[in-house]
This record gives sequence, C-alpha cells and structure tokens, in this order.
Amino acid sequence: GENVEQHPSTLSVQEGDSAVIKCTYSDSASNYFPWYKQELGKRPQLIIDIRSNVGEKKDQRIAVTLNKTAKHFSLHITETQPEDSAVYFCAASMMLMGNQFYFGTGTSLTVIP
Amino acid sequence: GAVVSQHPSWVICKSGTSVKIECRSLDFQATTMFWYRQFPKQSLMLMATSNEGSKATYEQGVEKDKFLINHASLTLSTLTVTSAHPEDSSFYICSAQLAGGSYNEQFFGPGTRLTVL
Repeated sequence: GENVEQHPSTLSVQEGDSAVIKCTYSDSASNYFPWYKQELGKRPQLIIDIRSNVGEKKDQRIAVTLNKTAKHFSLHITETQPEDSAVYFCAASMMLMGNQFYFGTGTSLTVIP
Repeated sequence: GAVVSQHPSWVICKSGTSVKIECRSLDFQATTMFWYRQFPKQSLMLMATSNEGSKATYEQGVEKDKFLINHASLTLSTLTVTSAHPEDSSFYICSAQLAGGSYNEQFFGPGTRLTVL
C-alpha cells in the first residue's frame, strides 16, 4: 500500500516567517494530494489540495508544490500568523481508485508571536 | 455545507463491552465513508473504507471481526468496537466523501474519544 512520510515532525517559526513542510509518497499511482490542518481536539480541515496534473497551486498565503518524478510534495505557508499554529497532515490518494487517504505522520507547527 | 457528525463524542466503557459509533453526513449523500483511528499526537490511520450497501474494505492489520462496519444508508455509517479492551482506547474519526463526480475531498467528523477501562 501507499506509504507517506512527512518532515519535520515539529516546526517553530517566528511570526511573519515562512514555514515549509515536506512529504514523500511511495505509490506512483497516487494522483491527489490534500493537506489538512488539525487544531487541538478538533477535526481535520482541508486547507489546500493538488492533483497530479499540476505542479503548483496557491491560495493566498498557502501554496503546495508537487514533483511527480521524485514523488514528493510540499506545503508552503508565507507570512505566518499565530493562528497558523496547529498540526498539519499531508495525504496521498488515488482518485477514482478507492480514494483512500493515506496520511503522513503530521507536523506540529508553532508560530511564535 | 458538507457537515459530518459523529455520535457519541466521548464514551467510556468497561472492558469486554461493545461500543457503537455513528457517522452521519448531514447535508449531503456519501456513498463512501472512511474510518480512521488517531492516537495522541499521532497521525490518522485508515482503518477501513465503508461503502453504502456493500461490505467494508479493511486495511491490512485491522481485524474486521473486532471493528464491525455497517453503511446502511447514504448518510450513515456505524463502527462497532466489539469486546473492547484498554488497547482499543483511541480517537476514532470518520470522514465522508461526496457521492458522484471526481471531486475527492473528504469531510471529517469531529471524532469520538473512546476510553476502555
């Protein structure tokens, strides 16, 4: 099955700085890569996703890049704010082939005011 | 839109008893729901895929007789933890996928915290 690795496990940045979280996946058939944000005690919320037919997607301060050849994708958060502090999970999925999500191990991001 | 609820939100039970957790899509139909287990400060581990009207598909290492899944309607899936033991204590989260189309987003429920004494 799919194996998703995520780094780093913890990340602290100063407010206003950028944060980058990286994930790798093992199954080249995966073609959908969502990123979820989970605050303590709350449900995961989708923040951005990317499909394998594009290399980059941006939504305001958040961007995701995908390198299909290397099988890795990254989340970029610019101008970080304290409310960005949370655990972020990447996932890999095969659209239209069961659509199961296989999550990375998570990154605990702390934005220091 | 796309709200998923779970019930109960928290349950404490004695070892050996069975616990049923419900996952409902409130404002959309979901042919597919997923069940995850999350230990403290760890990732979401997919347990099984629940398809309406058919048997669930379990991930490797997940005991299907231990974790019974029923997806009787397009808005409800249930997970029953049978003969629960302390090691089953965990946070169980379900997600639901919009029926039809190629849209892939999963909408997560708020989770159920199970404590087995």
